[in-house]
Order: sequence, then C-alpha cells, then structure tokens
Amino acid sequence: QKEVEQNSGPLSVPEGAIASLNCTYSDRVSQSFFWYRQYSGKSPELIMSIYSNGDKEDGRFTAQLNKASQYVSLLIRDSQPSDSATYLCAVRIHTGGFKTIFGAGTRLFVKA
Amino acid sequence: EAGVVQSPRYKIIEKKQPVAFWCNPISGHNTLYWYLQNLGQGPELLIRYENEEAVDDSQLPKDRFSAERLKGVDSTLKIQPAELGDSAVYLCASSTGTGYQETQYFGPGTRLLVL
Repeated sequence: QKEVEQNSGPLSVPEGAIASLNCTYSDRVSQSFFWYRQYSGKSPELIMSIYSNGDKEDGRFTAQLNKASQYVSLLIRDSQPSDSATYLCAVRIHTGGFKTIFGAGTRLFVKA
Repeated sequence: EAGVVQSPRYKIIEKKQPVAFWCNPISGHNTLYWYLQNLGQGPELLIRYENEEAVDDSQLPKDRFSAERLKGVDSTLKIQPAELGDSAVYLCASSTGTGYQETQYFGPGTRLLVL
C-alpha cells in the first residue's frame, strides 16, 4: 500500500462547480498535511496546509482533515478553468526525524 | 523576496555523460531538498540538507549520484554517468525549519533528458 494515495483522475468539473479532491494516507504518525497545485511543466506551489482535524478555509479553497479515518481532502468552490492542474497531497510524518511524502497527484480539468 | 532558483532549466545529454544541477534556496532557509519527479508521479526525495549537513540521503543512488552544499547555501546535484532512466524533472526545495509545520517551497526544476 502506498503511503499517500490519490485518485489520478482526471477529475472533470464544469466551471462554477465544486471540485472535491481526496487523499488517504497510511501512516498514523502523520503530523501535518499539505496541498500543492502543479500546472503542467511547472513546479509544485503550496495552496493549503492543515494540522488538526476539521476544516480550514482560504478563499475558494477548503481543506478537510479526519485523522481517525486517515483522510484529507481539498474542496475548490466556484471552480475556474485556471484551476485546471494536478493537485498533490503531501503528508509530513515523524519517524525519528520528519519526512514529507507526496502522493502522485490528481489531475483536475475545469470545463468552461 | 526571490524564490528558489535552479539552473539549468533544461538539459539534454547522451547516456554515460555527466550532468550537474545547481540550486540557490530562498534567503535564510537552512533546509534544502533535492527531489526527483517522474511524469505522472509526485516528487520523491533524493537528499535533504540541514545547513551544510546531509541529514537524509537514504534515497540517493550513491553509485552515480552525488550532492554537496559546501557553505550551507547553494547546492549542486551531480549524476555521473547518466542513464536513460534518469530522465526526469529534478526539483530543489527549501524551507525554514524541520518541525511538523515546516513548509517547502519549490524551484522551477531542471528537466533532464538522457538520450
């Protein structure tokens, strides 16, 4: 089992809809969680970080964390074509030292 | 504030040739990472530096890969000799700490194509 799993997609949503991206992780000592956006041919860019159970909102983005279910999600409200990208979930674990593990990413297409 | 700088942005070499990548982190960031990203995959850690010390190089293929960060600022990653399977994007990232709230910022990457 991969340590961080994401549906590779592509996830296709119409403009203005809510896009829901999901991520599960296997390591119970995971401490913090990150969502990165990566446009084609570009480097990952941090969108959100979340450290405790519940929701965290930043503009059109909401990160949701459920440690008991080992599940973290990213909701994008009012999706725009410019949101079309690959979204990487990253999990920071503590195993002696800290280490960040990335998922393979979910490709999102927002149709105009 | 300037971001993470990497060069070159693109590199095409023939197999068995050497290649080197350079990274300058965000000013004040003590932690520097080199990642490898294959198409359709997330970044995979090659090596992590705390200042000039390599504190995690367990995933670095040491038979052909080497890295250095002599003065604790910029860093170089080298492959010698390169193999076809080394074709990938090499990302450098830096951060301000190592705790659970540490956040990594990525450079633009170097796209390597080995022919």
